[in-house]
Amino acid sequence: QSALTQPPSVSGSLGQSVTISCTGTSSDVGGYNRVSWYQQSPGTAPQLIIYDVSNRPSGVPDRFSGSKSGNTASLTISGLQADDEADYYCYSCTNTNTLLFGGGTKLTVL
Amino acid sequence: QVQLQESGPGLVKPSDTLSLTCAVSGYSISISNWWGWIRQPPGKGLEWIGYINYSGNTYYNPSLKSRVTMSVDTSKNQFFLNLSSVTAVDTGVYYCARTHCSSIRCYIDYWGQGTLVTVSS
Repeated sequence: QSALTQPPSVSGSLGQSVTISCTGTSSDVGGYNRVSWYQQSPGTAPQLIIYDVSNRPSGVPDRFSGSKSGNTASLTISGLQADDEADYYCYSCTNTNTLLFGGGTKLTVL
Repeated sequence: QVQLQESGPGLVKPSDTLSLTCAVSGYSISISNWWGWIRQPPGKGLEWIGYINYSGNTYYNPSLKSRVTMSVDTSKNQFFLNLSSVTAVDTGVYYCARTHCSSIRCYIDYWGQGTLVTVSS
């Protein structure tokens, strides 16, 4: 199974919005609403920020939002802040109950 | 508060078996959920290794399936990872995690802090 496809890097200025895409197939991202997103700062474990495509765990700001269209899921971060600078990973379950991560996207806040 | 803690050797010789333990506190692994392992080579992305439930049912990453064995000890509230015939490419931080996985949802809500395993002679 291949990793889900994410852009290696994105950037945005303070206060602006950025969107990170995550492309899979109909066997994973496109087939189910079982996509989640994680934020990872250097030297720390990943942290859940979006689950089931568009749901936010308690404590995650509503600046973070998720969506999906076809085989591509997206994470949008609005009102960029300096501490949003991190690596972001998407994650999906497949039709064989295995799990896939995206390759990761490094967000730089300018 | 659910907490997970990985433990095991930080250095493993090539061709040996990597063995890790994940101790869970604040939640009984017998209740539900799937308990998984994820790894991250230095400077690279996350890779799902596999997961196991309290009954011992498992799903593994197809690319690692021939070398991976997971098990669970509900009496100790722990689960385990064995990865055989390791090489340098198996070097990385290994995380254990609690996974919610069903027909309608799939996500990891709790992670261990991670443990660095280096494969070297």
